Amino acid sequence: GIQVEQSPPDLILQEGANSTLRCNFSDSVNNLQWFHQNPWGQLINLFYIPSGTKQNGRLSATTVATERYSLLYISSSQTTDSGVYFCKAGTYKYIFGTGTRLKVLA
Amino acid sequence: EAGVAQSPRYKIIEKRQSVAFWCNPISGHATLYWYQQILGQGPKLLIQFQNNGVVDDSQLPKDRFSAERLKGVDSTLKIQPAKLEDSAVYLCASSVTGTGDVSDTQYFGPGTRLTVL
Repeated sequence: GIQVEQSPPDLILQEGANSTLRCNFSDSVNNLQWFHQNPWGQLINLFYIPSGTKQNGRLSATTVATERYSLLYISSSQTTDSGVYFCKAGTYKYIFGTGTRLKVLA
Repeated sequence: EAGVAQSPRYKIIEKRQSVAFWCNPISGHATLYWYQQILGQGPKLLIQFQNNGVVDDSQLPKDRFSAERLKGVDSTLKIQPAKLEDSAVYLCASSVTGTGDVSDTQYFGPGTRLTVL
């Protein structure tokens, strides 16, 4: 089955810094989502992005389907961005990646 | 629009006891998912329903776990008997369809944190 790997596993930033999170997947997909899991455990949709580029405020994402990776960009990070970021990818059957744990320091 | 509802939020039981979780998806969502998330890991799909039919239960430990969605709306997940390794957060999600396109965007409930002692 499909493998989904994320990097880096952990990231510590100062408030205001920018970051790039990566999601690699081993097979072609028809569905890719990015989620933020906040410190209370709630998974929040960020993007549905099986291909192309999208932006929402300080967040943007790009998926290059032909090269089997997706990137999540966080600009001007805030302490509320802390938590774990997951990508979920697949075709009808979906796998969550290993996650990137982000801590933003004030 | 109301989100995905789950109850209870927390449950502590002893091993070999039984436990049940409830999920009410977003109104109009045909597809419902149950995930298990062990601490430090990503969610793992246990079962996927399309209306009241099972689409995928390949990772459901069927000797102890069961799930139903009798009227195609809300769903229950049961563990009987529980083991220590079942300690996890159980997440319910729903989507409009299970077709894999943008209408298959999944929305998650707050989860039920289960501790088995």
